[in-house]
Amino acid sequence: SAVISQKPSRDICQRGTSLTIQCQVDSQVTMMFWYRQQPGQSLTLIATANQGSEATYESGFVIDKFPISRPNLTFSTLTVSNMSPEDSSIYLCSADTSGANVLTFGAGSRLTVL
Amino acid sequence: GENVEQHPSTLSVQEGDSAVIKCTYSDSASNYFPWYKQELGKRPQLIIDIRSNVGEKKDQRIAVTLNKTAKHFSLHITETQPEDSAVYFCAASTGGATNKLIFGTGTLLAVQP
Repeated sequence: SAVISQKPSRDICQRGTSLTIQCQVDSQVTMMFWYRQQPGQSLTLIATANQGSEATYESGFVIDKFPISRPNLTFSTLTVSNMSPEDSSIYLCSADTSGANVLTFGAGSRLTVL
Repeated sequence: GENVEQHPSTLSVQEGDSAVIKCTYSDSASNYFPWYKQELGKRPQLIIDIRSNVGEKKDQRIAVTLNKTAKHFSLHITETQPEDSAVYFCAASTGGATNKLIFGTGTLLAVQP
């Protein structure tokens, strides 16, 4: 099955800074999805990233805070801007690499904001 | 939009017993219902899924049932083993162009040896 790689795997950041998370899929996919998983919580969809168009954000998430790029069919980035301690979470990217509506997840990027 | 509720939030069973986790969804257009297992510090992994055109699906010790009329689906694990201990998430999707998954709140399953 296809592999989804994310980096960084973890980082400790200072309040007010921004961090960009990269996600690479080893096959071409139409849509990539970014999720947030706060400590001990479920997965919350942040946005859907399509190549060649602006990302679609879920309620409660805005482009200024979580800008997303999707320059080609195998790569996407999520930036967490102007971070606060409340942004401390695991951020996961995912994609349907099978073409059968089955989502595979990256290993996640664990961000800690001090 | 879709809302998925999951119960119980924690479940403790003895090794060899069965475990059942239940989910309800709100969007009648949802047609794909996967279950993911997430071990501590790991990524979620798909363990079984069901689509709206079937009522039950089995894969060895795990099974999923779907009641579209009542808009609920359940995960059944038989003959539980300590390695089944993890957090389990149900999810729902309407598929199609958006294909986005909305997850339930999760169930922490502890299998006591």
